[in-house]
Amino acid sequence: SQQGEEDPQALSIQEGENATMNCSYKTSINNLQWYRQNSGRGLVHLILIRSNEREKHSGRLRVTLDTSKKSSSLLITASRAADTASYFCATDAIGGTSYGKLTFGQGTILTVHP
Amino acid sequence: EAGVAQSPRYKIIEKRQSVAFWCNPISGHATLYWYQQILGQGPKLLIQFQNNGVVDDSQLPKDRFSAERLKGVDSTLKIQPAKLEDSAVYLCASSSGTGGVRPQETQYFGPGTRLLVL
Repeated sequence: SQQGEEDPQALSIQEGENATMNCSYKTSINNLQWYRQNSGRGLVHLILIRSNEREKHSGRLRVTLDTSKKSSSLLITASRAADTASYFCATDAIGGTSYGKLTFGQGTILTVHP
Repeated sequence: EAGVAQSPRYKIIEKRQSVAFWCNPISGHATLYWYQQILGQGPKLLIQFQNNGVVDDSQLPKDRFSAERLKGVDSTLKIQPAKLEDSAVYLCASSSGTGGVRPQETQYFGPGTRLLVL
């Protein structure tokens, strides 16, 4: 079953605007990761935030993690048309049957209009 | 460095036929993963290898799916016989870390193989 649930399912914005995507999960985690997938292609790792971290930045990306609410958000600032893609959160759960096992959410489809 | 390689990129077969996918991970990466991604959903882990041993295959439909990683490098995922619901993209990923050490957290994904079962 899917661990993470992203919200919204789809987001459409204009270039230059900010995009915020949310992820909720069910069990305690070691870390939470965000991946991007361009149409019909493999996933690219964007950022990882550990359970003892609350916020992390990477370029135009900002990720927050609230373990008490079991939720995370991904903010993309000053979006570009090239940011158009599907974004997935993935959790590495504590006590899993294997190390490094990721459980992905359903994803948010982001469309950035030029 | 070269990324994760997968072949073929596309495959169309009829139900009840068999199919095999190949993956070559990033050089030196001990951990290899196979995921199934159905259209509109996130990837679902099918099997995880650490070197040539299986770490997790709890979500692999073992009556029809099999995977191997001989010599701890390349891997092959096979479906026999295929069903309509197996239509999906099959993604291979790898991460570093060796032996009993926890694998490096970042996974590097290949381009995937898109399978259509008619």
